[in-house]
Amino acid sequence: KAGVTQTPRYLIKTRGQQVTLSCSPISGHRSVSWYQQTPGQGLQFLFEYFSETQRNKGNFPGRFSGRQFSNSRSEMNVSTLELGDSALYLCASSSGAGANVLTFGAGSRLTVL
Amino acid sequence: AQSVAQPEDQVNVAEGNPLTVKCTYSVSGNPYLFWYVQYPNRGLQFLLKYITGDNLVKGSYGFEAEFNKSQTSFHLKKPSALVSDSALYFCAVRDYRNTGTASKLTFGTGTRLQVTL
Repeated sequence: KAGVTQTPRYLIKTRGQQVTLSCSPISGHRSVSWYQQTPGQGLQFLFEYFSETQRNKGNFPGRFSGRQFSNSRSEMNVSTLELGDSALYLCASSSGAGANVLTFGAGSRLTVL
Repeated sequence: AQSVAQPEDQVNVAEGNPLTVKCTYSVSGNPYLFWYVQYPNRGLQFLLKYITGDNLVKGSYGFEAEFNKSQTSFHLKKPSALVSDSALYFCAVRDYRNTGTASKLTFGTGTRLQVTL
C-alpha cells in the first residue's frame, strides 16, 4: 500500500514569507503528526491531528499551525518565516491509538533565506 | 514529562562485529519504546517496539533491543553489523497512560552508526 506522501520535498523561501506543507497519510490512518527536525534541536513535536481535531500541540509559536481534512490529509502552515525555521518537516500517520507505530513520510526540506 | 537520552553521538563498528546503540528513558508510567532509523534525505523508518512482555524484542533487518526496567534502558543491538546499517538511529518513548496524546513520541537526539569494512 502507498506510504505517507509529503509535498513539496524541497522548497526555498525568504524571511517574512509563509509556507504550506502537505501530507497524505496511509489509507485508513486517522492520525497525522508533524515533527520538525534540525541539527541543533533534533526531532521536535509540532502537533497531532485526529479526525480533523488537533489532539496535541508542541511548544512552538503561533506562527506554526495546521489542519486536517475529512479525508485525513493534513497541511501545516508557517507564517512570517524566520531563518531558524529552516528544517526538515516530517509528517507521520498512524491509526491513532495505543502503541500504534508512526509511519513517516520522506519529509519536506524548507530553507529560509 | 517524558524524555529519552542517547549518550553517544556516534558509534563506530567494523563490519561483522556486534553493535550496540544505547538509549535510556524517563516516563511517569509504563513506557512504550521505539527505535527508528533514518537514512540521508529520508524520513524515519520503524525498526521495532516494546510494549509489554518479553524484554528482548526482535525487529527488522536483524536488529533487536533489550528492555531493562530497573535501568530504564532500551539498547538497540545487532549480532553482526553491515556497512549498509550505517545511518542515524533514534530511540523514542511514549507514556502509555497519555491516551489524550496517544501518538506523541519523544525522541532522543539520535546516534550516528558508522560501519566500516
